[in-house]
Amino acid sequence: KQEVTQIPAALSVPEGENLVLNCSFTDSAIYNLQWFRQDPGKGLTSLLLIQSSQREQTSGRLNASLDKSSGRSTLYIAASQPGDSATYLCAVSRRTSGSRLTFGEGTQLTVNP
Amino acid sequence: GAGVSQSPSNKVTEKGKDVELRCDPISGHTALYWYRQSLGQGLEFLIYFQGNSAPDKSGLPSDRFSAERTGGSVSTLTIQRTQQEDSAVYLCASSLRQGARNSPLHFGNGTRLTVT
Repeated sequence: KQEVTQIPAALSVPEGENLVLNCSFTDSAIYNLQWFRQDPGKGLTSLLLIQSSQREQTSGRLNASLDKSSGRSTLYIAASQPGDSATYLCAVSRRTSGSRLTFGEGTQLTVNP
Repeated sequence: GAGVSQSPSNKVTEKGKDVELRCDPISGHTALYWYRQSLGQGLEFLIYFQGNSAPDKSGLPSDRFSAERTGGSVSTLTIQRTQQEDSAVYLCASSLRQGARNSPLHFGNGTRLTVT
């Protein structure tokens, strides 16, 4: 059974810092990995999707890497801003499970002005 | 150009009553998923649809839960004889096609269900 773990559970940083969120998964036979952002009382917003054959994806100040063999992914946020405050979730899918996602518990990020 | 739409946004119901939650996916998305998010827990998969069929219902917690999708579009999640442990946020998501390696999921804002 696939298990996804995110570390740390919560993170508080001053504005402007570069930071790294970590995600690990137990079964390396993944199809893709997605990073999401969730604001309080809202649904999830897809940030980045890395296919199993890829090593990283970038979007603006966000960079996500994937090391399938070791079961790890990192989300790097450059020059953090108060508007980045949210819960960040990573999720993995397997083709044999219909691309349903298995989610981690999330990292709650607070960026202080 | 709307995203995934869910209704109602909030629902308070008495224990034992039935509830229906609705999801309108993004137009043209053939895959539709229901997840549940409980306080202090992660997102829990419930069911997914490819078109109008549900190849995987394994996440439905009991036979009180059922879902259908019509016309390859709107989906309804029904909970019969609600219990307090059913209280959660129910999230719907859609993607362009199931099984596509590069097809991200797009989520609605969810329905917050409270069973009193």
